[in-house]
Amino acid sequence: EAGVAQSPRYKIIEKRQSVAFWCNPISGHATLYWYQQILGQGPKLLIQFQNNGVVDDSQLPKDRFSAERLKGVDSTLKIQPAKLEDSAVYLCASSLEGTGHEKLFFGSGTQLSVL
Amino acid sequence: GEDVEQSLFLSVREGDSSVINCTYTDSSSTYLYWYKQEPGAGLQLLTYIFSNMDMKQDQRLTVLLNKKDKHLSLRIADTQTGDSAIYFCAERGNTDKLIFGTGTRLQVFP
Repeated sequence: EAGVAQSPRYKIIEKRQSVAFWCNPISGHATLYWYQQILGQGPKLLIQFQNNGVVDDSQLPKDRFSAERLKGVDSTLKIQPAKLEDSAVYLCASSLEGTGHEKLFFGSGTQLSVL
Repeated sequence: GEDVEQSLFLSVREGDSSVINCTYTDSSSTYLYWYKQEPGAGLQLLTYIFSNMDMKQDQRLTVLLNKKDKHLSLRIADTQTGDSAIYFCAERGNTDKLIFGTGTRLQVFP
């Protein structure tokens, strides 16, 4: 079974530039999550999709971050414009239904460095 | 608010037992989890415990939960060099969100 795919693996940009990350969840998984993991911290949920609808985006800085999940499959997360404090690993995860204590499957992440 | 705390580092010798500790604040937590993150990889679920249990054993892993003190621990028996990784405690509370701790870096020496 293929896992959660993310690209790019690494990205280096200057502050005020834009960047986009892509995620392809496990086939058939209805729920998709984007987490931000700052160095030395645990992952923090940015946004959760159920199919192509947003379930929770309460911790997404909406002035600069946006995410979409067209057709309820792949998802992109965009930062525009980037700030130094956005340097982090962005993890995508998926689960079958998003209910109860379902197991989350994580991708390897995109490491973003903002200079 | 919900908060999950862990110590940052643990160093053990190969073959010894490792004990990684975690404290959380949300008394309504339903499930508590242990995830493992190897370098350059995503998180992998190791084990979980339901809040009405106080112990769960799974091969080399033993999870202990003290709900009164809001304390969770993960014991790894016969620790191997392949166990070197960052271990995250996480809890799912009444918001149904998964809240992760800061992670404990386990280093195993031969």
